[in-house]
Amino acid sequence: DAGVIQSPRHEVTEMGQEVTLRCKPISGHNSLFWYRQTMMRGLELLIYFNNNVPIDDSGMPEDRFSAKMPNASFSTLKIQPSEPRDSAVYFCASSLRVDYGYTFGSGTRLTVV
Amino acid sequence: GENVEQHPSTLSVQEGDSAVIKCTYSDSASNYFPWYKQELGKRPQLIIDIRSNVGEKKDQRIAVTLNKTAKHFSLHITETQPEDSAVYFCAADGNKLVFGAGTILRVKS
Repeated sequence: DAGVIQSPRHEVTEMGQEVTLRCKPISGHNSLFWYRQTMMRGLELLIYFNNNVPIDDSGMPEDRFSAKMPNASFSTLKIQPSEPRDSAVYFCASSLRVDYGYTFGSGTRLTVV
Repeated sequence: GENVEQHPSTLSVQEGDSAVIKCTYSDSASNYFPWYKQELGKRPQLIIDIRSNVGEKKDQRIAVTLNKTAKHFSLHITETQPEDSAVYFCAADGNKLVFGAGTILRVKS
């Protein structure tokens, strides 16, 4: 298994542009999570899905952020419009179920200038 | 919701010594407690976990203890090596994983 696959690995964009981050979870994993990591705020859960259904999006910072999971093998996190304070590493993780070990992807390092 | 506090924020030990990292959690409903290791520029990786029906678990040089009454759990690394240097995160899971702020462990050779 290739693990959790995220793309792109790095993204540099200008303020105001739309950014789309992508994630392919491990096959057979029913839960998918989007985390954001910064020095100031650590690892923050943005949203998680169970069986492709969004369960908890209370961590999504504001309406500029949206996430979808159209099928069991793909999820996107979109920021529109992006702002410099969105600069962070965004991790996707998946697990067999919510109370089980998470496998993280390699992350997307987003820089908004 | 769940709140996880982790101490210390940095820890420096001599190679061969032991290292202990402690975490407390707030939600008594949490029943799963994993620990992750994150090396610089890499993803967090699960190193050990424990569930609420177990008080202690060991895997070679690492061990985790859990005190549900006091709502705290700890990571113990024995015979530390330079490759143990990394950031360690604890987490607690009632219905979603909430992470502690992390501990930077430096093992000096």
